[in-house]
Amino acid sequence: GAVVSQHPSRVICKSGTSVKIECRSLDFQATTMFWYRQFPKQSLMLMATSNEGSKATYEQGVEKDKFLINHASLTLSTLTVTSAHPEDSSFYICSAREPRTDGYTFGSGTRLTVV
Amino acid sequence: QKEVEQNSGPLSVPEGAIASLNCTYSDRGSQSFFWYRQYSGKSPELIMFIYSNGDKEDGRFTAQLNKASQYVSLLIRDSQPSDSATYLCAVNVRGTYKYIFGTGTRLKVLA
Repeated sequence: GAVVSQHPSRVICKSGTSVKIECRSLDFQATTMFWYRQFPKQSLMLMATSNEGSKATYEQGVEKDKFLINHASLTLSTLTVTSAHPEDSSFYICSAREPRTDGYTFGSGTRLTVV
Repeated sequence: QKEVEQNSGPLSVPEGAIASLNCTYSDRGSQSFFWYRQYSGKSPELIMFIYSNGDKEDGRFTAQLNKASQYVSLLIRDSQPSDSATYLCAVNVRGTYKYIFGTGTRLKVLA
């Protein structure tokens, strides 16, 4: 089946620094990828839709200048959390639309802790 | 505001029983419905998807869709302790590839 690889799985960074998370589709081309954030005991909240070769579409309330998304190729999307603060600590998950089913295949997630 | 609602649970069932998980949605135009399982600290994994009214069976899992009543359910037969997880319902936003997730139902299968 379709595989989405996400790195790093865990990252701890200092407040004020930036962190980049990568999401790769390994055996299929993903023109559309999605970035979610999940706080403890809560559901997945869509942050933005990443489209290859064009600007990402951000959900209401998500700061596009803080969460930079780049989808430069059909297999790679990156999310950069800029000037991270402790409240940005969360579980970030990417997913890609799998053409066969129109469903999502999720990456393994990135646990971000900002200290 | 498009919504997907699930009972947060926990839903506790004995091993070997049938677990029934329900999900209601507000957008009548939604066409695709998915059930995901998420273990604590892990990302969701797809269990089933359903597009048409009625039942769809895959092994121990059966998805049921009723578009008129705007609900989708998941039945797990012969529940096992390893089925203990949070089950997320996802419903597509009409005309887009986006999906709205419910808050999930936590299932506990008691050995």
